[in-house]
This record gives sequence, structure tokens and C-alpha cells, in this order.
Amino acid sequence: DIQMTQSPSSLSASVGDRVTITCRASEYISASLNWYAQRRGKAPELLIYTASKLQGGVPSRFSGSGYGTDFTLTISGLQPEDFATYYCQQSYFPPLTFGGGTKVEIK
Amino acid sequence: QVQLVQSGAEVKGPGASVKVSCETSGYTFITYYIHWVRQAPGQGLEWMGVFDPTGSLTESAQKFQGRITMSRETSTTTVYMELSSLRSEDTAVYYCARGRDVTYAYSIGYWGQGSLVTVSS
Repeated sequence: DIQMTQSPSSLSASVGDRVTITCRASEYISASLNWYAQRRGKAPELLIYTASKLQGGVPSRFSGSGYGTDFTLTISGLQPEDFATYYCQQSYFPPLTFGGGTKVEIK
Repeated sequence: QVQLVQSGAEVKGPGASVKVSCETSGYTFITYYIHWVRQAPGQGLEWMGVFDPTGSLTESAQKFQGRITMSRETSTTTVYMELSSLRSEDTAVYYCARGRDVTYAYSIGYWGQGSLVTVSS
């Protein structure tokens, strides 16, 4: 199975900050990488698919980049509603696998 | 609009089975794969398997093989996930979810509200 490793596992940031989360795959996955946000008590929400494509309705302050094994999610100008846990997920080949999550908390 | 509405919370004893339903609406049922993802309390997301409502594809993570059954009822556009031989570690919220579209079937664009399954004696 393809292992997905996210870092950091948690971070504290202030409203307006630029936040970067990284995700590394244990093997080559092309651009088959998705990012999700999960707010407390809610189902996950797709933010970015295929490494860099913004899901409809998601604010443009979210962006993704990367290819192969290394990927990044950036939030440019953190908003109060962005405090959540973020997960990466590879969609290259089943079994689909998720990273361990990055919890973004208020500083 | 696309909706996935799941069945309610269940409490089961060790060794029992649970069947979670996922009623879909707002799109052509047989066109999109349905995924099952679970989340244990305070833990991350775990993909369990994917089901093609046409019946041509069912694939599950190795750790669930032999215990998971995915099925559908086309007349009600409902997908089911049954997990057998339950143990305490299976206590989790179970989500059904749909691929974003046909091209990106493994990017999960729509989620049900989740069904809490508690395994306890």
C-alpha cells in the first residue's frame, strides 16, 4: 500500500497567516493527490483534487502544488473558518490512503 | 443537488454484524462509484472500499477483506455496507462518499453525514 505522511501533525496560527502543510507519498503517485478539510463533528470536504485543481466553491486562498511524491497545501490568509484538520489522500491506485492529518489551531 | 443520506447510529456487541445504508439522490445512480471511509474516535480517516453500483467493481482494503460486503438496491438508489465479526476497534463513524465525477472517481467530492457504530458488550 502507498503510505502518506503529512507534516506537521499540528500547528498554531493566527488569522491572516500563511500556512503550509506538506504531504509525502511512499512511492510515485503522479498528480493523484487530494486535500480535504474536516471541521469538528463534520464530514470531510474536498478542497483540492489532482494536486492543484481547486474544487468548486472553495475559496481561492487555498492552493495546492506538487508532483510525484511531494505535495503542498497552502492557505494564503487564514480565516476563522479555516481552523480544522486537513488530510491528504492519494487517488493513484487502490487502496486509497490518507495522511495522518494536520490540525490547524488558533494561536 | 447530490445528497447521500445515511442510516442512524447503531450499537452492536462483539462478533455481531452491522449494515449501514446510504440513500443517494440528485444524480444518475449507476454512473458514480461509492466509497466507504471510517473514522475511529479522535483518529484519522481510513478508506475501507469502493463499490460500483453497476455491480462490475468492488474493491476493499486488505484489512477488511472477508468481513465487508457492499451491495446496492437500484430501485431506491441505496448502497449498503455490511461489516461482520465486529470488535471494539471497529467503533467509528462510517461515511459513504461519492467520487467527484467520472474522471476523478477516486477524488471524494460528496460525503454522507456519517453513521456512528459503537461496538460494546
